[in-house]
Amino acid sequence: AQTVTQSQPEMSVQEAETVTLSCTYDTSESDYYLFWYKQPPSRQMILVIRQEAYKQQNATENRFSVNFQKAAKSFSLKISDSQLGDAAMYFCAYSDSAGKSTFGDGTTLTVKP
Amino acid sequence: DGGITQSPKYLFRKEGQNVTLSCEQNLNHDAMYWYRQDPGQGLRLIYYSQIVNDFQKGDIAEGYSVSREKKESFPLTVTSAQKNPTAFYLCASSPWTGITGELFFGEGSRLTVL
Repeated sequence: AQTVTQSQPEMSVQEAETVTLSCTYDTSESDYYLFWYKQPPSRQMILVIRQEAYKQQNATENRFSVNFQKAAKSFSLKISDSQLGDAAMYFCAYSDSAGKSTFGDGTTLTVKP
Repeated sequence: DGGITQSPKYLFRKEGQNVTLSCEQNLNHDAMYWYRQDPGQGLRLIYYSQIVNDFQKGDIAEGYSVSREKKESFPLTVTSAQKNPTAFYLCASSPWTGITGELFFGEGSRLTVL
């Protein structure tokens, strides 16, 4: 079974600065997808960014980018120019060949003004 | 607007009662999922369905039941057999492309057992 580990239960960042959230996973599959989801205090989970395992190029979405290290099974999220609206719980997720997603325990991000 | 609607948002149940959480989507997605979220923990998969009239158990299916009679609907019943049902329940859907399963979530239902 796949496992996803987020080793940082809580992180904080000053507004306008950069923060990196860590995620590692364990799998024996070679083809899979990785995702970062954001769950703000309103509770609706939304997709932040995704990475296809077969792509070497790291995904980027505006201020959000990932550092995908396939051999190390690492998938970190970098948030640049942090904004107050980035405050939320962030979940790393792995999607297997059957389309089932496994989630980490989440990292609560606080943004300080 | 397209999306996923969960109801009710808050639900209280007495011990021994079954309750049903509703999940409806108008995204024309094939796959639907139910997750449970407990404080300090990630999401755990209860049941999922990739096609109408078919569904599979997830990692924590004991004490829960589902049906998928219509593509847009995937209700979850929390039975009295579920020993610790107090939790936040999230419904999600996905345009079934197998491995590329980006999930679209509802706003969730919070169940409290009194």
